[in-house]
Amino acid sequence: DAGITQSPRHKVTETGTPVTLRCHQTENHRYMYWYRQDPGHGLRLIHYSYGVKDTDKGEVSDGYSVSRSKTEDFLLTLESATSSQTSVYFCAISDLLGADTQYFGPGTRLTVL
Amino acid sequence: GQSLEQPSEVTAVEGAIVQINCTYQTSGFYGLSWYQQHDGGAPTFLSYNALDGLEETGRFSSFLSRSDSYGYLLLQELQMKDSASYFCAVRDEISSGSARQLTFGSGTQLTVLP
Repeated sequence: DAGITQSPRHKVTETGTPVTLRCHQTENHRYMYWYRQDPGHGLRLIHYSYGVKDTDKGEVSDGYSVSRSKTEDFLLTLESATSSQTSVYFCAISDLLGADTQYFGPGTRLTVL
Repeated sequence: GQSLEQPSEVTAVEGAIVQINCTYQTSGFYGLSWYQQHDGGAPTFLSYNALDGLEETGRFSSFLSRSDSYGYLLLQELQMKDSASYFCAVRDEISSGSARQLTFGSGTQLTVLP
């Protein structure tokens, strides 16, 4: 299994509070992705990174920001969490951009009350 | 834009064969992938087809017809552990730029009965 960890694994927070999710990889893969998964929607891309300090928006980026200061870490921040951001968040990595083989972390279940 | 259609649920018995279909509409097509996800787990890669035809990996096979914008995942000799969600995904351009990213279908929940 690819070495990908996510923290925290579970979080409950209140509307309006900032939240940061962390993805850490030990595979030295260049590309990292954040997805959210909701019932009936599959996985939807939020943001992705193609190198240190290089990031771009995905399909559902509104309300989210990301940062990547080191190859191994990719942070997802909800500046002011809303109930619509209650979801399961998955980080993924690949060694090629848009690669069909992506390796996923264990996920973070976020509940915004 | 892009869209993928797959059945929401499929049920089969242990030892049987099941086929999960996926049709897609994309502005540019580079290949069709399949991922498996058990309840509470992470998606894991199963297979990838870039060209027409059948790819076999053990009990799992995946088929692609580019002219029909259609593919399927075939699971043979079903086992209880195959109960999971299965997602098809296409590599396509995203709206914000030229990068090509994976777009996933909504998933098919496979239930294997004893």
